[in-house]
Amino acid sequence: ILNVEQSPQSLHVQEGDSTNFTCSFPSSNFYALHWYRWETAKSPEALFVMTLNGDEKKKGRISATLNTKEGYSYLYIKGSQPEDSATYLCALGDGSSNTGKLIFGQGTTLQVKP
Amino acid sequence: DGGITQSPKYLFRKEGQNVTLSCEQNLNHDAMYWYRQDPGQGLRLIYYSQIVNDFQKGDIAEGYSVSREKKESFPLTVTSAQKNPTAFYLCASSYGSGNEQFFGPGTRLTVL
Repeated sequence: ILNVEQSPQSLHVQEGDSTNFTCSFPSSNFYALHWYRWETAKSPEALFVMTLNGDEKKKGRISATLNTKEGYSYLYIKGSQPEDSATYLCALGDGSSNTGKLIFGQGTTLQVKP
Repeated sequence: DGGITQSPKYLFRKEGQNVTLSCEQNLNHDAMYWYRQDPGQGLRLIYYSQIVNDFQKGDIAEGYSVSREKKESFPLTVTSAQKNPTAFYLCASSYGSGNEQFFGPGTRLTVL
């Protein structure tokens, strides 16, 4: 089973701080890298699906980069707000076959203090 | 409103009993998935289905069974063979394999 690692496990920042998390994965058999945001008492929601080496995606204050050759993705949040508090999950799409199988990391839990 | 529904939200089961968790979607998605979450762990794939009448085992399928008789529905049965069934279960769907997944609200199963 492929292993997807996320760091840090948790993060506490002040409102207005910018922050970033890391997702590491084996670079072989890469198909796609997904990022999801999971707020307490809600369902996980997709932020980005990235497939190409060097991909950069942005949604408002959140952006992500992808390096498939070295096996990592960064998620950046610029000027964190309390509503950004959530667990951020990354998931690797299994490239051995296009089955839609995702292997999730443990998540990074972000707490933004007002 | 399009979306995924799971029922019930909370479920209690006695040891030795089978129980079925419901998952329904009206997004017209072909692919559906079942995940399990345990404290301190990432979501782990139990079963997935890419089309109606077809499904495959995920990473932790032992003690679980599924069916996919309709495109909208993908029920999960937790059998008495599952040794540690107490967990949070999430259902998801996607428009084709490899695309972003849409998640339901989850069912928390507790075995008494």
